[in-house]
Amino acid sequence: ETGVTQTPRHLVMGMTNKKSLKCEQHLGHNAMYWYKQSAKKPLELMFVYNFKEQTENNSVPSRFSPECPNSSHLFLHLHTLQPEDSALYLCASSQEEGGIQPQHFGDGTRLSIL
Amino acid sequence: KNQVEQSPQSLIILEGKNCTLQCNYTVSPFSNLRWYKQDTGRGPVSLTIMTFSENTKSNGRYTATLDADTKQSSLHITASQLSDSASYICVVSPILRSNDYKLSFGAGTTVTVRA
Repeated sequence: ETGVTQTPRHLVMGMTNKKSLKCEQHLGHNAMYWYKQSAKKPLELMFVYNFKEQTENNSVPSRFSPECPNSSHLFLHLHTLQPEDSALYLCASSQEEGGIQPQHFGDGTRLSIL
Repeated sequence: KNQVEQSPQSLIILEGKNCTLQCNYTVSPFSNLRWYKQDTGRGPVSLTIMTFSENTKSNGRYTATLDADTKQSSLHITASQLSDSASYICVVSPILRSNDYKLSFGAGTTVTVRA
């Protein structure tokens, strides 16, 4: 148990569907992150939130829309996705943005776009 | 070109044997280097964190070394166990400034331990 919970664990959706990924952390951290992990590739940072404020949008297409209602919850809203968006989406949290403390990752949502 | 290169991409070892994974990076200046273990179907879990002034850090049977001059790190697994089968990811953090926190991730080395 890493203290970071992601739901759902698996998601299959069509290109015209709208769905949301959820992340919740029970560690009292102030920073939360969304990453995309594709096979054999390094993790790609998508978004960063620090104290509920978005501090980073790493040139992510607008079909991905993050939401951070409080420091414990992070959502990723999906719409009109493309087949190349199929990947493992990981949520992470850390005590503060940057810093030497390790990021704690959830187990991810495996997303498949039909 | 990725700023963190890991080798080999994958390796297979027999249970009980040792192995060493390599990480070369170009991030400069850098603050710290981390090794993560990612089991299949799980998220990455931190194994070690070393600052630029540290040469070695251990976590049980895992020992990480760092040579900041040559910008190389290695992760040594001693007396491997079946549970060591996983992907090992090297992560480099740039020097800490106001918002300059972006981590650079390697693509990982997949280790398979066979009985």
